[in-house]
Amino acid sequence: DGGITQSPKYLFRKEGQNVTLSCEQNLNHDAMYWYRQDPGQGLRLIYYSQIVNDFQKGDIAEGYSVSREKKESFPLTVTSAQKNPTAFYLCATGEIGNIQYFGAGTRLSVL
Amino acid sequence: KNEVEQSPQNLTAQEGEFITINCSYSVGISALHWLQQHPGGGIVSLFMLSSGKKKHGRLIATINIQEKHSSLHITASHPRDSAVYICAVRSRTSGSRLTFGEGTQLTVNP
Repeated sequence: DGGITQSPKYLFRKEGQNVTLSCEQNLNHDAMYWYRQDPGQGLRLIYYSQIVNDFQKGDIAEGYSVSREKKESFPLTVTSAQKNPTAFYLCATGEIGNIQYFGAGTRLSVL
Repeated sequence: KNEVEQSPQNLTAQEGEFITINCSYSVGISALHWLQQHPGGGIVSLFMLSSGKKKHGRLIATINIQEKHSSLHITASHPRDSAVYICAVRSRTSGSRLTFGEGTQLTVNP
């Protein structure tokens, strides 16, 4: 079953807690991306990675961290420094310069 | 002003109508993407184009590079076309990064 798997589908964060969103792909794509979507706004880039062991900040990286230890995996940690984490988070993959394929998303809420 | 502007923000149509969604951008681009987002949140890439016109089934996408404008057309619209349609551009200086419009919410009534 090929594609992009994001988990969990729904996630709740307590005050001061770090939470990690998973993104796994078996499409053998080099590039992976994390986006945040808020109501009435376009998708905004948090972090992206074009190769294993390397990643770059996007437009709204503050309060988030990532790692890219394996080609298949690009987890996103929402740290306690992110004061407004409630949003829909989308992971995408693709070959550089080509179309991007999106996961089903994780909806994060604060308790 | 956003780099990518879509119009209209919301569009309601009757089944069978011809639909047009517009996208204007302000930067030099290497490609423009049209995406579809269904109510559950999943996003599907519809088109990537850098010139001219592309067609897939009832969907047609056009781009005018000189005017920095693209349109997405849906012929013979159907209630299952109801979704948010998103325009995104890859600028010539941004590498693989995309900049997204806010989306157009399309509702097609039977």
